[in-house]
Amino acid sequence: QVQLVQSGSELKKPGASVKVSCKASGYTFTDYAMNWVRQAPGQGLEWMGWININTGNPTYAQGFTGHFVFSLDTSVSTAYLQISSLQADDTAVYYCARRLGAGGLDFWGQGTLVTVSS
Amino acid sequence: EIVLTQSPGTLSLSPGERATLSCRASQSVSSSYLAWYQQKPGQSPRPLIYGASSRATGIPDRFSGSGSGTDFTLTISRLEPEDFAVYYCQHYGSSPPRITFGQGTRLEIK
Repeated sequence: QVQLVQSGSELKKPGASVKVSCKASGYTFTDYAMNWVRQAPGQGLEWMGWININTGNPTYAQGFTGHFVFSLDTSVSTAYLQISSLQADDTAVYYCARRLGAGGLDFWGQGTLVTVSS
Repeated sequence: EIVLTQSPGTLSLSPGERATLSCRASQSVSSSYLAWYQQKPGQSPRPLIYGASSRATGIPDRFSGSGSGTDFTLTISRLEPEDFAVYYCQHYGSSPPRITFGQGTRLEIK
């Protein structure tokens, strides 16, 4: 069965970096785009962008350029989200989600809580 | 850029009642690219509806979606206790590829 398993919660100090992983299984990794979604505490869902699994080309949504980087390791069917220069307002749950051709996000990771605090 | 506005912000109903949730787009969109999700506290969003009206795998038939153009609706025909959650609509634009979420409707027990 399709699964997206994300790495565990992180507690980081301001200015640090974090790398969240999303390991896919149960399907051909290169057949679907991978998207990233942020949810700040008590807030709604924000689309961060996506990465083309075949080319490795990332696309970032407005507001998510600069210190967010999407990457891949296709040899282990894993997508990564790296956030550098962390600030308090980066505190959120970050989800990876597989995207269907018509744009629906049909499978989601369990989410990774990143907390930024001094 | 398309903006999705959901209403109401909060809906208070009792089990057994009918729920009607609205999602309005700032411009006409293809219904093929309109989806709905349910999210419970501490859980990942769960897909309910794709293409405005097609239920995702395993979704009970009390959930239905409808609409076209700028106005879309998610209807839950008879609320079960497990249906109380936050619901989001989502649009996918293909050129360039981008995703937009509505701000969510909280469905709470009255």
